[in-house]
Amino acid sequence: EAGVAQSPRYKIIEKRQSVAFWCNPISGHATLYWYQQILGQGPKLLIQFQNNGVVDDSQLPKDRFSAERLKGVDSTLKIQPAKLEDSAVYLCASSLGQLREAFFGQGTRLTVV
Amino acid sequence: GENVEQHPSTLSVQEGDSAVIKCTYSDSASNYFPWYKQELGKRPQLIIDIRSNVGEKKDQRIAVTLNKTAKHFSLHITETQPEDSAVYFCAVFGAGSYQLTFGKGTKLSVIP
Repeated sequence: EAGVAQSPRYKIIEKRQSVAFWCNPISGHATLYWYQQILGQGPKLLIQFQNNGVVDDSQLPKDRFSAERLKGVDSTLKIQPAKLEDSAVYLCASSLGQLREAFFGQGTRLTVV
Repeated sequence: GENVEQHPSTLSVQEGDSAVIKCTYSDSASNYFPWYKQELGKRPQLIIDIRSNVGEKKDQRIAVTLNKTAKHFSLHITETQPEDSAVYFCAVFGAGSYQLTFGKGTKLSVIP
């Protein structure tokens, strides 16, 4: 079974620039999560989709972050403009449902300089 | 939203000893409690999970216990091995928030 695919693996940008991350979940997984993991901390939920609808985005900084999941499959997370404190690993995860195991992708390590 | 506290933040044990990590949560309606293991530079991977209708679950050297009244659950690793060294995260799925919230993690070091 193919896992959750994310790209790019690494990204370095200057502050105030924009960046986009892509996630392809496991086929058939209705639930998709984006997490931000700052070094030494636990993953922090940014947004959760159920199919192509948003279930929760209460912790998404909407003035600079946006996410979409077109057609209920792939998802993109965008940051515009980036700040230094956005440096983190952005993890995408998917699951068959909300009370099922969440499978994580390898993550995108973002460095904002 | 859900508040998940995880202790300790670091834990060192001798190979062969047991390790225990504890998490507390705030939402009494929470009903799904997974534990993830994250090795350095790798993705978090599920090692065991428990649902609210069960008090204990075991899988070989790993067990999880849940006390819904006290709102805490614990990960128990017996006969630890060097390959158990990693960061362990507890998580809670809140029935009210529909969020999967993670603890801050415990760095476990198993000393040969």
